[in-house]
Amino acid sequence: QSVLTQPPSVSAAPGQMVTISCFGSSSNIGNNYVSWYRQVPGTAPKLLIYEDIKRPSGIPDRLSGSKSGTSATLGITGLQTGDEADYYCGTWDISLRAVVFGGGTKVTVL
Amino acid sequence: QVHLVESGGGVVQPGTSLRLSCAASGFSFSSYGMHWVRQAPGKGLEWVAVIWFDGGDKYYADSVKGRFIISRDNSQHTVYLQMISLRAEDTAIYYCAKDVAEYGGYGGMDYGGQGTLVTVSS
Repeated sequence: QSVLTQPPSVSAAPGQMVTISCFGSSSNIGNNYVSWYRQVPGTAPKLLIYEDIKRPSGIPDRLSGSKSGTSATLGITGLQTGDEADYYCGTWDISLRAVVFGGGTKVTVL
Repeated sequence: QVHLVESGGGVVQPGTSLRLSCAASGFSFSSYGMHWVRQAPGKGLEWVAVIWFDGGDKYYADSVKGRFIISRDNSQHTVYLQMISLRAEDTAIYYCAKDVAEYGGYGGMDYGGQGTLVTVSS
């Protein structure tokens, strides 16, 4: 059971938008930065969003992060077949004194 | 560009030890915290440990506390993970990652390598 809660899967047609939610608590999301990662099976994770809303260089602005209270959201617009992957949220938990991840969300492009 | 090369994985028996290394380049190594994250076959990401930029603070997941030790050599731009009393459930690909926050704190993890596979089996 993951400390952060994500939906197991989301799907949409090419060109559409998906959002992935990440629910936590005041000991983690509510008081620390959230980051988001994409992982294509068989490859290393890739940082998409850090410090809640920032994109590393090379990450397109089709991807966006937001946070409100104890939940965060990753949005992907203009969905492409290359967006099919597993997506994880992560943050620091001040009670556990540990980084915690969500269980991951599989994005399928219909 | 962050470049990380993990090494030291292999097949070991339960109860034995292993030391993983992660050689870093492309950034000011001594200014950033470094993490180890693992992924068991078919499972999600599991954070293992972090060591802050100067080695002064270290934190561990409960699942490895007391068995794994994270360390770093800033002169060699390398972070290590010493693993003892290995169990079958430690079987995973182990990734090292650079924290994006300079001089401590957590901001997110930048992965720059392909990981190293540890298999614990009799």
